Amino acid sequence: AQTVTQSQPEMSVQEAETVTLSCTYDTSESDYYLFWYKQPPSRQMILVIRQEAYKQQNATENRFSVNFQKAAKSFSLKISDSQLGDAAMYFCAYSAGANSKLTFGKGITLSVRP
Amino acid sequence: ETGVTQTPRHLVMGMTNKKSLKCEQHLGHNAMYWYKQSAKKPLELMFVYSLEERVENNSVPSRFSPECPNSSHLFLHLHTLQPEDSALYLCASSQGLAGGDLTGELFFGEGSRLTVL
Repeated sequence: AQTVTQSQPEMSVQEAETVTLSCTYDTSESDYYLFWYKQPPSRQMILVIRQEAYKQQNATENRFSVNFQKAAKSFSLKISDSQLGDAAMYFCAYSAGANSKLTFGKGITLSVRP
Repeated sequence: ETGVTQTPRHLVMGMTNKKSLKCEQHLGHNAMYWYKQSAKKPLELMFVYSLEERVENNSVPSRFSPECPNSSHLFLHLHTLQPEDSALYLCASSQGLAGGDLTGELFFGEGSRLTVL
């Protein structure tokens, strides 16, 4: 069975600084998808970034980028130039693709200090 | 209205009450989901509907009863709940089952915060 592990329950970053959120996963599949979702306080969970396992290039979305290490089964999220609006819970998730459900980690609470 | 909307946003009920949570998606998706979010635990998938048919029921107690009358609406009927059922209940939808674009991306509602006294 696939598992997703987020071992850090909380992190804090100074505004304008860079922070990296860690995630590891376990799977026997060779082709799959990885996601980072953001859940702001009392607001909808939204997709931040996704990575296809067959792509070697790390995904990037503006200030958000990932460090995907397939052999190590590691999928970390880097947030550059942190902003107050980045404060939220962040969930790492895995999917084996079509007809496959998402498996989520426990999430990490990120706070941003002004 | 756009996206996925859930009502009510907050619900307090006694253990003998019967209530329902409602979810509506305006994205033209074919699959809908109920998740339970408790503190310090991963999101728990409760039910999955694809084209109005239930395709997954993850050993959820019978006091939770889902209903999907059409591809745009999903309900979660609640009766004789326990205090440990207090949680945030999230509804989500996707293009197809786990994503018609093969990625598994979900679109979430804001959730219904349930407190069982």
